[in-house]
Amino acid sequence: EPEVTQTPSHQVTQMGQEVILRCVPISNHLYFYWYRQILGQKVEFLVSFYNNEISEKSEIFDDQFSVERPDGSNFTLKIRSTKLEDSAMYFCASSLYLAWEQFFGPGTRLTVL
Amino acid sequence: AQTVTQSQPEMSVQEAETVTLSCTYDTSESDYYLFWYKQPPSRQMILVIRQEAYKQQNATENRFSVNFQKAAKSFSLKISDSQLGDAAMYFCAYLGSSNTGKLIFGQGTTLQVKP
Repeated sequence: EPEVTQTPSHQVTQMGQEVILRCVPISNHLYFYWYRQILGQKVEFLVSFYNNEISEKSEIFDDQFSVERPDGSNFTLKIRSTKLEDSAMYFCASSLYLAWEQFFGPGTRLTVL
Repeated sequence: AQTVTQSQPEMSVQEAETVTLSCTYDTSESDYYLFWYKQPPSRQMILVIRQEAYKQQNATENRFSVNFQKAAKSFSLKISDSQLGDAAMYFCAYLGSSNTGKLIFGQGTTLQVKP
């Protein structure tokens, strides 16, 4: 069964450093998303992406964040200068249609020291 | 703005029994979708069940079923014949008609299954 994959599973970085979180969505899916979950809290929407453009971004997704689909398979989230409060689990998701279930990857746990 | 509320932070159920998890939401849209996701200790988000707001019939998926009350803006999840593997955090989620795919999640309910 096709699945969304994410690498790395755990990333530790120093405050102020840049990180890139990588995702490989399900191959025939057209819509891509990033969510984050601070430990013990609810899952929060960051950004949605379709046709090589951001469809919507949340207030969390400020200028420090960017997304890219550099080739036909990868979907990346970059945080330019990490802050302590960026420590969270980051989930990538994809869907075939807009009003359809989103399939989530296993997540990347980001720890900012 | 749409909101999703899960008022039960924790629930417990005896193995083989039935449990119902509550979810309410607020929206002014008439066309939307509702989901229940399961998050086990591995923290992977797994889709449990999906409901289209325009469908009056409640969705069912094996031991999982929903009670969708559109007028009351309520979307509860019933788990029948609970199994130890059902122990997880359960999130209710709303998908509106904004054409961006943004899922709005509730705070989650931790379900404990007792043997």
